[in-house]
Amino acid sequence: DAMVIQNPRYQVTQFGKPVTLSCSQTLNHNVMYWYQQKSSQAPKLLFHYYDKDFNNEADTPDNFQSRRPNTSFCFLDIRSPGLGDAAMYLCATSRGDREQETQYFGPGTRLLVL
Amino acid sequence: SQKIEQNSEALNIQEGKTATLTCNYTNYSPAYLQWYRQDPGRGPVFLLLIRENEKEKRKERLKVTFDTTLKQSLFHITASQPADSATYLCALAPNSGYSTLTFGKGTMLLVSP
Repeated sequence: DAMVIQNPRYQVTQFGKPVTLSCSQTLNHNVMYWYQQKSSQAPKLLFHYYDKDFNNEADTPDNFQSRRPNTSFCFLDIRSPGLGDAAMYLCATSRGDREQETQYFGPGTRLLVL
Repeated sequence: SQKIEQNSEALNIQEGKTATLTCNYTNYSPAYLQWYRQDPGRGPVFLLLIRENEKEKRKERLKVTFDTTLKQSLFHITASQPADSATYLCALAPNSGYSTLTFGKGTMLLVSP
């Protein structure tokens, strides 16, 4: 089945220690997104790629970076995680259709910062 | 400022009843609105999309309405089942054509047997 895969499902890191979360997709979608979601909050868009074009949200901290080496993979790098970065990180994809943008989400990676 | 409001209190209903969830927005003129389901510890799953020129959309036991005058969408689940228990998120697309989505916080629905 075509899908969005996130690894790992749970990640524990230490305060200030860089961490990378990964996302892959078999849907061959043009657009890939990274969201941060804290408990009982809305998913907050951090950035997205439309093909190779990177789009950063204005309020995304510089501590967060992303890479998309090819269509299938996208990575979220947190350079110096703080306690406030503990959250669920969701990867999503969409076709980049100009009529609608249904998003397909992965299962998420829950990040714990000690 | 732009806001999407969903009832933060959980909605508790009995099995077999109709659940109605509300999404209100301000300072948006969305081209379309989507509803997603999110189970605990999982990513959201797309349910329905309704466009600005549509009043109502149905899919099996689900129905969505969209009132651009009231700036409100209602999401209905008829003949609700315990398996419908989840958090339901609405999401707006601000523009026609390609654009990102802005999500609401969601409303938790609890269906008791």
